[in-house]
Amino acid sequence: QPVLTQPPSVSGAPGQRVTISCTGSSFNIGAGYDVHWYQHLPGRAPKLLISDNSNRPSGVPDRFSGSKSGTSASLAITGLRAEDEANYFCHSYDSSLSGSVFGGGTKLTVL
Amino acid sequence: QVQLQESGPGLVKPLQTLSLTCTVSGGSISSGIYYWIWVRQHPGEGLEWIGYIHHSGSTSYNPSLKSRITISVDTSRNQFSLRLSSVTAADTAVYYCASTSGYYSPYSWGQGTLVTVSS
Repeated sequence: QPVLTQPPSVSGAPGQRVTISCTGSSFNIGAGYDVHWYQHLPGRAPKLLISDNSNRPSGVPDRFSGSKSGTSASLAITGLRAEDEANYFCHSYDSSLSGSVFGGGTKLTVL
Repeated sequence: QVQLQESGPGLVKPLQTLSLTCTVSGGSISSGIYYWIWVRQHPGEGLEWIGYIHHSGSTSYNPSLKSRITISVDTSRNQFSLRLSSVTAADTAVYYCASTSGYYSPYSWGQGTLVTVSS
């Protein structure tokens, strides 16, 4: 079981807003470690969408935003587009592992 | 930003050693600001952190795999490698190499390579 919990799937119509949650524990997100979000297409390298909870790297549309509270983090995508259909996963550090932990990934379907 | 590309056999026999290489381009693996990482994803499952090596030579491995892992760097070829011994079918996964500039920072990733353990 992944250390960080994400919903297996979310969906939305074009133009709508969706959110993807990432729930951890007091050893990772709850301990204050930053959360990063990636977009992953099959056969491709994961692409960084959000770093350090809420920072958007250059080139990432402002339709993507991140937040963190307590032991959870969220990725929000507004103005859904067909090109957003992909797998999304979260990433943080875990003090009990002394290494990185990841969410199980969420498949976004644009209806 | 560095680019990363995994390479190695796609099929490994049980009890043999899995060996993968990650070629780094767009930057020097000798830079002291980078951690060089391996991560894997079992079919249909989430990602599992395997471990890292730093330019200083220090390493850190997932405790669940520590007895079977070696991560090393070849500065002359600008590559780093993963060796996983005594593999079983449970080691079948897509293996990703990655890098980061800070211990808690986000990763830059390769596209991954599928390794199947089967006789």
